[in-house]
Amino acid sequence: KQEVTQIPAALSVPEGENLVLNCSFTDSAIYNLQWFRQDPGKGLTSLLLIQSSQREQTSGRLNASLDKSSGRSTLYIAASQPGDSATYLCAVRVQGAQKLVFGQGTRLTINP
Amino acid sequence: NAGVTQTPKFRILKIGQSMTLQCTQDMNHNYMYWYRQDPGMGLKLIYYSVGAGITDKGEVPNGYNVSRSTTEDFPLRLELAAPSQTSVYFCASSTTGTTHSFFGQGTRLTVV
Repeated sequence: KQEVTQIPAALSVPEGENLVLNCSFTDSAIYNLQWFRQDPGKGLTSLLLIQSSQREQTSGRLNASLDKSSGRSTLYIAASQPGDSATYLCAVRVQGAQKLVFGQGTRLTINP
Repeated sequence: NAGVTQTPKFRILKIGQSMTLQCTQDMNHNYMYWYRQDPGMGLKLIYYSVGAGITDKGEVPNGYNVSRSTTEDFPLRLELAAPSQTSVYFCASSTTGTTHSFFGQGTRLTVV
């Protein structure tokens, strides 16, 4: 059974810092991995999607990497801003199943 | 673009009552999903559909039913509400099973 873990559960950093969020999964048989952002009381916004054949994806100040063999992904946020404060969720698309398996998320706070 | 629209945003039900959570998408996506998110937890798949007339169970289907008569709509039915169904419900859609998933804003349901 695929399990997805995100550590830490919460992170607080001063504005301007570069930071890394971690995601690990137990089964490397995935189609892709997706990073989402969730603001309080809101839905999920897709940030980056990495296919299983890819190593990384970039969008603006965000860079996501994927190491399928070790079951790890990282989301790198450069030059953090208070507007980046949110919960970040990673999810893997399981091969042979029509579903995303989600981690519990990392609640990120950027302090001005 | 409206994307994925869920109604209602909030609802309080009494134990034993029934209700339907509405979900509609305007992106002509074949795949649609219902997830629930409990506090501090990742999202869990309730039901999904790969096209009109086709539905299947996810991880936590007990107490729920779905139908998919059109490409646009994917309502979720709770027949006999129980306190364990207190949660935030998210509807999502995607072009295929391996592309970006787009989420609605969620329905916060409380069963008392």
